[in-house]
Amino acid sequence: NAGVTQTPKFRVLKTGQSMTLLCAQDMNHEYMYWYRQDPGMGLRLIHYSVGEGTTAKGEVPDGYNVSRLKKQNFLLGLESAAPSQTSVYFCASSWAGRDTEAFFGQGTRLTVV
Amino acid sequence: GENVEQHPSTLSVQEGDSAVIKCTYSDSASNYFPWYKQELGKRPQLIIDIRSNVGEKKDQRIAVTLNKTAKHFSLHITETQPEDSAVYFCAHSGSARQLTFGSGTQLTVLP
Repeated sequence: NAGVTQTPKFRVLKTGQSMTLLCAQDMNHEYMYWYRQDPGMGLRLIHYSVGEGTTAKGEVPDGYNVSRLKKQNFLLGLESAAPSQTSVYFCASSWAGRDTEAFFGQGTRLTVV
Repeated sequence: GENVEQHPSTLSVQEGDSAVIKCTYSDSASNYFPWYKQELGKRPQLIIDIRSNVGEKKDQRIAVTLNKTAKHFSLHITETQPEDSAVYFCAHSGSARQLTFGSGTQLTVLP
């Protein structure tokens, strides 16, 4: 099993450009999450999903959209990138339920210039 | 709210000494409290977790304690080693089923 895989690993965008980050998991997990990690800020939740076809906002959702059309995939979209969105993005997934381990992808380093 | 406060933000200890990291939360419905370790350039990985019906859990040199009345939980690392140097995150699972993380503690174990 590959676990949780994020695509791409690195990306440089110009301000105003759009892009989609893909998260794929092969563990049949129900829950999936998108976080951003900035120095001194920890892992902040952007959006999450508790099942196929469902999404919910996290702590910092502005400027991002998500979709969960298939159970194994969770897409994070940036419609019009801003320098403030320069960050490392992590996807995670877990079994259904509020008390199960979350498995993380390897991260995507995004720079917006 | 769903926030979790983590302290300290940085911690330096001598090799062999103990390290303690503390977190407080506000959501009384939280029932799951994991701790993650993130080495430089790597992804976070679970090292230990505790559920609300348990007050303490230990796994070799690491232990976690939970005080639901006071809404705080702590990570204890004994006999620290250089390979323990990393960023540690506490987290909790809130009433809306989201997993919320603390701001992290950079632990440095000095030889």
